[in-house]
Amino acid sequence: VQVVQSGAEVKKPGSSVKVSCKASGGSFSSYSFNWVRQAPGQGLEWVGGIIPGFGTTNYAPNFQGSVTITADKSSNTAYMELSSLTSEDTALYFCALGSTFDHWGQGTPVTVSS
Amino acid sequence: QTVVTQEPSFSVSPGGTVTLTCGLSSGSVSISYYPSWYQQTPGQAPRTLIYSTNIRSSGVPDRFSGSILGNKAALTITGAQADDESDYYCMLSMGSGNHVFGGGTKLTVL
Repeated sequence: VQVVQSGAEVKKPGSSVKVSCKASGGSFSSYSFNWVRQAPGQGLEWVGGIIPGFGTTNYAPNFQGSVTITADKSSNTAYMELSSLTSEDTALYFCALGSTFDHWGQGTPVTVSS
Repeated sequence: QTVVTQEPSFSVSPGGTVTLTCGLSSGSVSISYYPSWYQQTPGQAPRTLIYSTNIRSSGVPDRFSGSILGNKAALTITGAQADDESDYYCMLSMGSGNHVFGGGTKLTVL
């Protein structure tokens, strides 16, 4: 199993960014794709997750309304879109596959700067 | 809001044993929270060590073990090695697909 995320992003405040996470090496429609944020020098924070096969999504309270998680079952890919970006969204975003977070992506750095 | 607590830092001697804990600001941690543990070195993706309280992830050596100790989840490392020096995070599953990480423990091996 491999989990590969999209590359680094640099965005202006107020804009949006969409990060992708593609799983390969199996069938993952019933797996959860989870997103985890790590701000510079800080710990891990669960953002939210989706189970593509069921279409169900869950969000941490801190991210409700500012994050949208979607998935494309056919390509085993999940997406996380962050809107109305501020400097506080500058972080490394990880994707983790499965309810037990078995497999992690390499992380996508998102920098928000004017 | 649920707060998951961990020791900010811990130190262990090479070859020694250390137990890191994971608690709740209000209430007790039980197997119903499916506690899991992750190891992370700076700049790298986390590595899953333990899930569902005490199940080792594939390839994790048996010197890492998970348990419930009193009202907390625990990660015990026996025979600590230099490359165990990392940040360790616990995560609790709060139901309905929601999860919360602890603040992490920085483990020093010296």
